[in-house]
Amino acid sequence: EADIYQTPRYLVIGTGKKITLECSQTMGHDKMYWYQQDPGMELHLIHYSYGVNSTEKGDLSSESTVSRIRTEHFPLTLESARPSHTSQYLCASSVEGLANEKLFFGSGTQLSVL
Amino acid sequence: AQTVTQSQPEMSVQEAETVTLSCTYDTSENNYYLFWYKQPPSRQMILVIRQEAYKQQNATENRFSVNFQKAAKSFSLKISDSQLGDTAMYFCALNIYNQGGKLIFGQGTELSVKP
Repeated sequence: EADIYQTPRYLVIGTGKKITLECSQTMGHDKMYWYQQDPGMELHLIHYSYGVNSTEKGDLSSESTVSRIRTEHFPLTLESARPSHTSQYLCASSVEGLANEKLFFGSGTQLSVL
Repeated sequence: AQTVTQSQPEMSVQEAETVTLSCTYDTSENNYYLFWYKQPPSRQMILVIRQEAYKQQNATENRFSVNFQKAAKSFSLKISDSQLGDTAMYFCALNIYNQGGKLIFGQGTELSVKP
């Protein structure tokens, strides 16, 4: 069982609200990622971080932002939620080594914007 | 650009039987890794098996094995002696060497194991 946690598990919110999706890992991993997954679809990388104060945008454009002030914490923020942001958001972490970037995933946050 | 394609949106198998999930990919890179991830209804994604492209030998993990055909860019997953707990969404993923954990995922195959 991976030690990576996401909260909330489900979130239903109105248009225009600011939201923050939390992701924390206790494994000391330097690398963390946010993937977006629409129902029945593949995952797309939207943000990643290779360490504290390092953040990069992923392959899929996203209006969300991230921060990495502490190694264990990688929150994702939407300043003004819209229905198009409705999706599943999966956080992951990894450490380079024997397993060549084995990813550990959180349980995800299912976001619904009304 | 790299792509991963899973052409079977849904599959079903009887308990104790064997099933094969297909995956093809495209990349111009020579050094890469391939993965199969499992996403059960609880939705926490877990790694099933991985294959280094430079290895000719197919990876095996207990009941799970792959058929890696590098020239054909094919990477199928075989599940032997299927169990009810194998019911899940299965994703094939590609990771280019030295690109960290930036995985490119396929669309997924929803596998149902029937009693």
